[in-house]
Amino acid sequence: GIQVEQSPPDLILQEGANSTLRCNFSDSVNNLQWFHQNPWGQLINLFYIPSGTKQNGRLSATTVATERYSLLYISSSQTTDSGVYFCAVESYTNAGKSTFGDGTTLTVKP
Amino acid sequence: DGGITQSPKYLFRKEGQNVTLSCEQNLNHDAMYWYRQDPGQGLRLIYYSQIVNDFQKGDIAEGYSVSREKKESFPLTVTSAQKNPTAFYLCASSIGADNEQFFGPGTRLTVL
Repeated sequence: GIQVEQSPPDLILQEGANSTLRCNFSDSVNNLQWFHQNPWGQLINLFYIPSGTKQNGRLSATTVATERYSLLYISSSQTTDSGVYFCAVESYTNAGKSTFGDGTTLTVKP
Repeated sequence: DGGITQSPKYLFRKEGQNVTLSCEQNLNHDAMYWYRQDPGQGLRLIYYSQIVNDFQKGDIAEGYSVSREKKESFPLTVTSAQKNPTAFYLCASSIGADNEQFFGPGTRLTVL
């Protein structure tokens, strides 16, 4: 099946700093999502982005499907950005089956 | 309010007992999913259903069973055959396969 690798596994920032999280995948995808898991375990949708670039406030994401990677940018980070960020993909050959990466744990210090 | 509900939030069971986790959605979504998350890890797909009365195994279906008799409901049974059932279980739904998934708040199952 498709492999998903997220980097870095852990990231510690000072409030106000910018960061880039990366998601590499091993096959062509027709679905890619970024999620933020809060301390209570709830998964919050950030972006549905199988290709192209999207922005939502301080967050933006870019997926380059032909090169099999996606980037999540967080600017002017806040302590509330802390948590685990997951990338999830679906390959063309396995419609309906999402594969998650192991996540990036972000800690933003005041 | 439209959304996905899971109950209960916390569940404790004795080893050897079957237990059923509830997942309901009122979003009129066709597709529903069950995932398992272990500490420090990503989510792994247990079962998914793209339409009523149909479902497929995910990557870790052994020891679990599901039913999809109604569009809005997708209950998961953790059977005694599941070797390590203690985990965080998350349910999701989407309009259809390949579409954006939305998650419920999860159920933390502890088997004693």
